[in-house]
Amino acid sequence: QSVLTQPPSVSGAPGQTVTISCTGGDSNIGAGYHVHWYQQLPGAAPRLLIYGISNRPSGVPDRFSGSKSGTSASLAITGVQGEDEADYYCQSYDSSLSGFWLFGGGTKLTVL
Amino acid sequence: QVQLQESGPGLVKPSETLSLNCSVSGGSLSSNYWSWIRQPPGKGLEWIGYIYDSGSTKYNPSLKSRVTISVDTSNNHFSLRLSSVTAADTAVYYCATLSRRSYDSSGYQGWFDPWGQGTLVTVFS
Repeated sequence: QSVLTQPPSVSGAPGQTVTISCTGGDSNIGAGYHVHWYQQLPGAAPRLLIYGISNRPSGVPDRFSGSKSGTSASLAITGVQGEDEADYYCQSYDSSLSGFWLFGGGTKLTVL
Repeated sequence: QVQLQESGPGLVKPSETLSLNCSVSGGSLSSNYWSWIRQPPGKGLEWIGYIYDSGSTKYNPSLKSRVTISVDTSNNHFSLRLSSVTAADTAVYYCATLSRRSYDSSGYQGWFDPWGQGTLVTVFS
């Protein structure tokens, strides 16, 4: 099956900007399907962070932002805080085979 | 505000069928895509499939031969059955809504929100 590739881990000191990439292909992100992002705290269910590439649900701080270019997307955290330490997943749709929704492998953010 | 809650056995024997329910409160089962997603311990998320409205379904091609998702509108819940389980099916199973904009009738641009809290199912002999 097609995959969305994320770096296994990223880190940053409080106040820094951290970026997490999500690289797909021509049957998912490159085909124009939207990318969405989730935050998963230890022991909790994933929480929607960004939908439709760059939209934030109510309650999500504006230090989180999303973007997309070609076959890749990115999540940026501007002014990272200790409470942001979590796993982050991107998600899109893939039109190969009979079509399916897929997630990236996840990125662990460590706040130094 | 829709809320979801998974329930079912936490232990299943190899080769048997895993069965879970997802109770929906605060909303109707009509006109929504109701999904199952799983996460093996320490690993990433995998979409299993969805059921929509009156019962149309779509499954992950990698699991399609073993998965059945159904809906019980009278009790406001939907269910997952996964047959012939092995240790590789050990995971936290989440139910979630595939949310979408009004123009996106197929849900291809959709995102998952809200989620249930998840339930751990261990395949163990």
